[in-house]
Amino acid sequence: AQTVTQSQPEMSVQEAETVTLSCTYDTSESDYYLFWYKQPPSRQMILVIRQEAYKQQNATENRFSVNFQKAAKSFSLKISDSQLGDAAMYFCAYSGGGGADGLTFGKGTHLIIQP
Amino acid sequence: DTGVSQNPRHKITKRGQNVTFRCDPISEHNRLYWYRQTLGQGPEFLTYFQNEAQLEKSRLLSDRFSAERPKGSFSTLEIQRTEQGDSAMYLCASSARDKNTEAFFGQGTRLTVV
Repeated sequence: AQTVTQSQPEMSVQEAETVTLSCTYDTSESDYYLFWYKQPPSRQMILVIRQEAYKQQNATENRFSVNFQKAAKSFSLKISDSQLGDAAMYFCAYSGGGGADGLTFGKGTHLIIQP
Repeated sequence: DTGVSQNPRHKITKRGQNVTFRCDPISEHNRLYWYRQTLGQGPEFLTYFQNEAQLEKSRLLSDRFSAERPKGSFSTLEIQRTEQGDSAMYLCASSARDKNTEAFFGQGTRLTVV
């Protein structure tokens, strides 16, 4: 079974600074997707960024980028120029079966942005 | 169509009662997922539909839980003989087969069993 581990229950960063959230996963599959989802307080989960395992290039979405290390099974999220609106729970997630399977989530990292 | 809709948003029920939740996915999405999220944890996968076919069920989905998607559109999740351990947020998500597998989530139904 696949597992996703987020070892940082909480992270804090000053506004405008850069923060990196860690995620490791375990799988025996070769065709899978990795995701970072953001869950603001009392609001729905939204996709931040997605990485296909077969792509070597790290995904980037504006201020959000990932460091995907396939051999190490590591998938960290870097948030640059942190903004107050980035404060939320961040979940790392895995989907096997070419991305069709349900998501396996980590326990999440609570990101605090200090003004 | 403004996204995935879940009803009710909150449900308080007495232990032993049955409850049913509804999820309306984004209209062109043929995949629909149910998850359960307890406080301080990430969501846990429960079950998955492609159109009206239930293709995968987690071992978390005990025989008290049943999900349906009769016409391949909305879905219902029923919990029979609720227990206090069923208290959680129940999330629904949908995705389109041909659109990069991004799953869009609803706001969830928060169940409290007293």
